[in-house]
Amino acid sequence: NAGVTQTPKFRILKIGQSMTLQCTQDMNHNYMYWYRQDPGMGLKLIYYSVGAGITDKGEVPNGYNVSRSTTEDFPLRLELAAPSQTSVYFCASSRPGGDWDTEAFFGQGTRLTVV
Amino acid sequence: QKEVEQDPGPLSVPEGAIVSLNCTYSNSAFQYFMWYRQYSRKGPELLMYTYSSGNKEDGRFTAQVDKSSKYISLFIRDSQPSDSATYLCAMKETDSWGKLQFGAGTQVVVTP
Repeated sequence: NAGVTQTPKFRILKIGQSMTLQCTQDMNHNYMYWYRQDPGMGLKLIYYSVGAGITDKGEVPNGYNVSRSTTEDFPLRLELAAPSQTSVYFCASSRPGGDWDTEAFFGQGTRLTVV
Repeated sequence: QKEVEQDPGPLSVPEGAIVSLNCTYSNSAFQYFMWYRQYSRKGPELLMYTYSSGNKEDGRFTAQVDKSSKYISLFIRDSQPSDSATYLCAMKETDSWGKLQFGAGTQVVVTP
């Protein structure tokens, strides 16, 4: 059971380059999320999706874009990378309904450095 | 002011000691309270969750929520070196699509 899988695990980008962080889950969860984690700052929500074709902004969406064409996949696109986007990015998923929508399952993270 | 405040530590304790962690928050609409454990270079994993006020116990772990004081706690009894990790509190409002508000995380080191 793979859970939430993120690729790549590490990446170094130059300022102004673009890239897509991949995220896929095999738990048939409707809800998916992208967070970034900076030292001493906790996790901040970038974008989230409640189902295929539906996405919405979180707390820190500037500089990012997402799409959700299938239940399984939720890629995060960085356009024109900036040093402020150096961070660890986590994708997560959860299922809706009752108390269980509180349990978000996280991927292993993507460590991104912009130089 | 951050919505969720958590002391980043590090908190160093000897093996067998009780670890006490806490978070304060400002949003009175938070109803779900969680503790996640994150090992170095790994994703967070859910450890405990509590709805509204009260206590919840699971083995060596006890979670407490005091909504009147906007204060939540996690206690780890008989701590083990394997408990060394960063502990993040998280909370959310009802009907908020699972969007979580996280604390900064407290790094815990349990020394043998």
